[in-house]
Amino acid sequence: KQEVTQIPAALSVPEGENLVLNCSFTDSAIYNLQWFRQDPGKGLTSLLLIQSSQREQTSGRLNASLDKSSGRSTLYIAASQPGDSATYLCAAYKAAGNKLTFGGGTRVLVKP
Amino acid sequence: KAGVTQTPRYLIKTRGQQVTLSCSPISGHRSVSWYQQTPGQGLQFLFEYFSETQRNKGNFPGRFSGRQFSNSRSEMNVSTLELGDSALYLCASSPGQGVITRGYTFGSGTRLTVV
Repeated sequence: KQEVTQIPAALSVPEGENLVLNCSFTDSAIYNLQWFRQDPGKGLTSLLLIQSSQREQTSGRLNASLDKSSGRSTLYIAASQPGDSATYLCAAYKAAGNKLTFGGGTRVLVKP
Repeated sequence: KAGVTQTPRYLIKTRGQQVTLSCSPISGHRSVSWYQQTPGQGLQFLFEYFSETQRNKGNFPGRFSGRQFSNSRSEMNVSTLELGDSALYLCASSPGQGVITRGYTFGSGTRLTVV
């Protein structure tokens, strides 16, 4: 059974600092891994999707890496801004079951 | 291209009642998945529908059910509501055929409060 863990559960950084968010998963037979952002009381916004054959994906200030052998993914956010304050969730997808398994999320606060 | 639409946005129900939530996926997407989000359990998979058929179901009691229509719109129903059913219910849309390669798109959710 796939388990996805995100540590730390919460993170507070001053504006301008780089953010490093961690995600680990127990079953390396994933097909892809997706990072989401969630603002309070809102739905999920997809940030990046990394296929199992890829090592990383980049979009603007965001970069996500994937290491299947160690069961880890990392989301980097460069030069953080107060608008980056949100909860960040990672989710692993495995073809069998057609579903996402989510981590518990990391709640980020970027202080001006 | 319209996103995933969930209605209603908020609901308040009394214990013992039943509720129906609706989700319209992105045009052309044939798969709709439902997730429950609570502070204690996080995001948990409820079920997934593709072409009007339930393909997978999570570990929830039979009070939770769903269906999908020929236009891919989906509804989920919760009967005999309990206080613990209070949650944000999220719907996710995907093309659905074969393995998901382009990820899922989520709606804004329906916030259900059971009193």
